[in-house]
Amino acid sequence: DTGVSQDPRHKITKRGQNVTFRCDPISEHNRLYWYRQTLGQGPEFLTYFQNEAQLEKSRLLSDRFSAERPKGSFSTLEIQRTEQGDSAMYLCASSLVGSRREEQFFGPGTRLTVL
Amino acid sequence: TQLLEQSPQFLSIQEGENLTVYCNSSSVFSSLQWYRQEPGEGPVLLVTVVTGGEVKKLKRLTFQFGDARKDSSLHITAAQPGDTGLYLCAGYNAGNMLTFGGGTRLMVKP
Repeated sequence: DTGVSQDPRHKITKRGQNVTFRCDPISEHNRLYWYRQTLGQGPEFLTYFQNEAQLEKSRLLSDRFSAERPKGSFSTLEIQRTEQGDSAMYLCASSLVGSRREEQFFGPGTRLTVL
Repeated sequence: TQLLEQSPQFLSIQEGENLTVYCNSSSVFSSLQWYRQEPGEGPVLLVTVVTGGEVKKLKRLTFQFGDARKDSSLHITAAQPGDTGLYLCAGYNAGNMLTFGGGTRLMVKP
């Protein structure tokens, strides 16, 4: 399967703990995006990378959130001191910049539950 | 406030009926994408429309991009239970951020 993969698929944690999610994009894609989706809503943009550079961050991304893409391939999203309001589906997507339509392809998501 | 407004938010119909989902904005989009998402999964890209007035067909699904590139619609003919899911429109207007609508949750009953 050469699609976008995310790990873990589900994470349950206690409030105050740190969590880290991983995303592996489609191999030839140079852009990687993180989104957050709460129940019944569309995904909301968090941040994106072009290669290893983080080019944009949403105001939704508080200082407890950090994302990295150290070698321009996989990416990690860490949430420190989790809060109940962080419970959501965290989605990763990748795309190929320069393609006319720049279509984003999504992974299956990581569902985070903060107790 | 959503930059992209989808309507209706919920739709429950019988198998075989037709339906239309709308995606509207006051902003112009360079392209607009439609996704379908099932519970517990990521959105799956159905189609991308780029040109104002463009119409694309995908089997029983017909997608249209408004002439002014501010709105789009998705029409499903003879809906089937397998069409059940969350339908999302998303567009690029300025910059590289994809903005999503709130989604239309469709249930097709057998």
